[in-house]
Amino acid sequence: QSVLTQPPSVSAAPGQKVTISCSGSSSNIGNNYVSWYQQLPGTAPKLLIYDNNKRPSGIPDRFSGSKSGTSATLGITGLQTGDEADYYCGTWDSSLSAGEFGGGTKLTVL
Amino acid sequence: EVQLVESGGGLVQPGRSLRLSCAASGFTFDDYAMHWVRQAPGKGLEWVSGISWNSGSIGYADSVKGRFTISRDNAKNSLYLQMNSLRAEDTALYYCAKDKGWELRATFDYWGQGTLVTVSS
Repeated sequence: QSVLTQPPSVSAAPGQKVTISCSGSSSNIGNNYVSWYQQLPGTAPKLLIYDNNKRPSGIPDRFSGSKSGTSATLGITGLQTGDEADYYCGTWDSSLSAGEFGGGTKLTVL
Repeated sequence: EVQLVESGGGLVQPGRSLRLSCAASGFTFDDYAMHWVRQAPGKGLEWVSGISWNSGSIGYADSVKGRFTISRDNAKNSLYLQMNSLRAEDTALYYCAKDKGWELRATFDYWGQGTLVTVSS
C-alpha cells in the first residue's frame, strides 16, 4: 500500500485532456516538492515534472503539474497514442525520512 | 551526457547477499545525492535508499532497513547497495537514480536502465 494515492487507471481519446491526481499528507506532499514520472513499457522512468510544476528541458508544455495542500495533479493536454504509459507521483516524506511514490496510474489513449 | 550504469544483479538464494554498483558519468558526481529505486515484476516503483552528496544523510525504506546498506565513492563516481539477508520479496529491477539536489529530496532527474535481482532457491 503506497503512502501516496493515485487512481489505478485513466483514459481519454486522442487530442483530449486528462488529469491524474496524487493524494498524500502533511508530512509528504504538504511540506515537500512533488515530481511526476512517465514510464513507457519496458523502459526506465523519466522525469516529467519537478518542484510541483516545473518541466525539465525537452518536456513539452502539454504536460503540467500543480499542487494544493496535500494533493497534486498532473495534466496532459493534446493526448497522443505515444503518451500511453504508467505515470507516478513522488515526493519526500519528512516524518519517515524516506522517498515515496504513488502506486502508479496507467494512461490509455483510446 | 549523463549516464548511470548498474551492475551486480543476478540470481541469489534467500538469505544470501549481493552487492549492486552504479557507475556514473557525465556530471559532477559529488555534487548530487543518489538513490536506489526498485520495481518488482509487474508492480510500481518503490524507493529503497538514498545518500546525500557527502554521505552525511542516508535513508532507507522500512522494508530494507537493517538489511541493506547504501554507500558511495566520490573518487570513483560510484554508488553501491550492499544487500544482505535477501528475501523473495526483494526480487525486482533495481534502478540507480540521480537526485536534482545535493541533499535527499527524492527528485530523480536521471535513471539507469536497471539491474535485475532475483531471490529464489
